[in-house]
Amino acid sequence: QKEVEQNSGPLSVPEGAIASLNCTYSDRVSQSFFWYRQYSGKSPELIMSIYSNGDKEDGRFTAQLNKASQYVSLLIRDSQPSDSATYLCAVNHSGGYQKVTFGTGTKLQVIP
Amino acid sequence: DVKVTQSSRYLVKRTGEKVFLECVQDMDHENMFWYRQDPGLGLRLIYFSYDVKMKEKGDIPEGYSVSREKKERFSLILESASTNQTSMYLCASSAGNSNQPQHFGDGTRLSIL
Repeated sequence: QKEVEQNSGPLSVPEGAIASLNCTYSDRVSQSFFWYRQYSGKSPELIMSIYSNGDKEDGRFTAQLNKASQYVSLLIRDSQPSDSATYLCAVNHSGGYQKVTFGTGTKLQVIP
Repeated sequence: DVKVTQSSRYLVKRTGEKVFLECVQDMDHENMFWYRQDPGLGLRLIYFSYDVKMKEKGDIPEGYSVSREKKERFSLILESASTNQTSMYLCASSAGNSNQPQHFGDGTRLSIL
């Protein structure tokens, strides 16, 4: 079983719609969760961090965390073609030094 | 803003060469990481360091070594490059607190011929 799982996509949404990206993780005591955006040929760019259950909003982005279900999601409101990218979910393992496991990413396509 | 700088964006080397990839961060971060990223395999951790002169193996350390002589610099060394080490290499850094996110450099696309 993969430690961090994401649907590889592509997820296609029309411009202006809400894109919903999902991620599940296996380490029940993970404490820190991150979403990165990666454009083709570029490096991952941090867009959201979330540490406690519930929602965290930043502009058009909302991260949602449910530790009981071991589930974290990213919502992108009013999707734009410039949001077309691969979105990586990352989970910080409990204890020890900071080692993060990344999912393989979900490719999002926003159709004009 | 955090700045992680990798010495080369593109690099072409030959099989058997010793290859050095350099990474420098300007935020006084304790932790530094080297990943490789391949299509369909995602990001895989090669080595990481949580302090000067300290290093820990990641998930795929074979064929690689690292050096961290100064806090801001973390070098990845391919001892004898092979074609299966052709990949995108990404350096990242993070503050010592385990809740802090990693910040990535622009990456080095390495081709071994």
